[in-house]
Amino acid sequence: GAVVSQHPSWVICKSGTSVKIECRSLDFQATTMFWYRQFPKQSLMLMATSNEGSKATYEQGVEKDKFLINHASLTLSTLTVTSAHPEDSSFYICSAKDRVGDQPQHFGDGTRLSIL
Amino acid sequence: AQSVTQLDSHVSVSEGTPVLLRCNYSSSYSPSLFWYVQHPNKGLQLLLKYTSAATLVKGINGFEAEFKKSETSFHLTKPSAHMSDAAEYFCVVSDPSGGYNKLIFGAGTRLAVHP
Repeated sequence: GAVVSQHPSWVICKSGTSVKIECRSLDFQATTMFWYRQFPKQSLMLMATSNEGSKATYEQGVEKDKFLINHASLTLSTLTVTSAHPEDSSFYICSAKDRVGDQPQHFGDGTRLSIL
Repeated sequence: AQSVTQLDSHVSVSEGTPVLLRCNYSSSYSPSLFWYVQHPNKGLQLLLKYTSAATLVKGINGFEAEFKKSETSFHLTKPSAHMSDAAEYFCVVSDPSGGYNKLIFGAGTRLAVHP
């Protein structure tokens, strides 16, 4: 089946640093990938839609300069949390949709980000 | 606008007994509906999806869901719970305004399975 690999799974870093999270579709091509944020014991909140070869589409209230998204190929999207602060600590999950056919989104295993 | 309501935040069952997780949706269009499961510190795994074919949808691990348009419901069931079914379950509807790409999640139902 379709596999989405997300890396790293855990990140702990100091306040003010930037953190990059990768999302790869391993056995399919994805023109569209999605980035979600999930707070403890809550549902997923869509942050942005990542489109291969074009700018990402951000949801209302999500700072595009804080959360930089790059989708340079059909199998890779990256989310960079710039100048991270403790309030950015969260569980970030990506998903990807196969470009072929009417396929559901397939999710990565998430990245736990902790900013000290 | 599309929306999803999961009627129970927590459900607790005994191993071997049936599971019912309830979901109601609101949609102006013919919806695509999904159930995903999330184990702790993991991403989401697709259990099943409804896309206007058969109203009774069979998924993985013995789960199934029935689409009832008259009741705007898409409840998830399983005849016999296993300990490994303990997880968070999300009912999801796709938003046609985003080309059916944008997913709208319910708040989730935490399923506990007791021996």
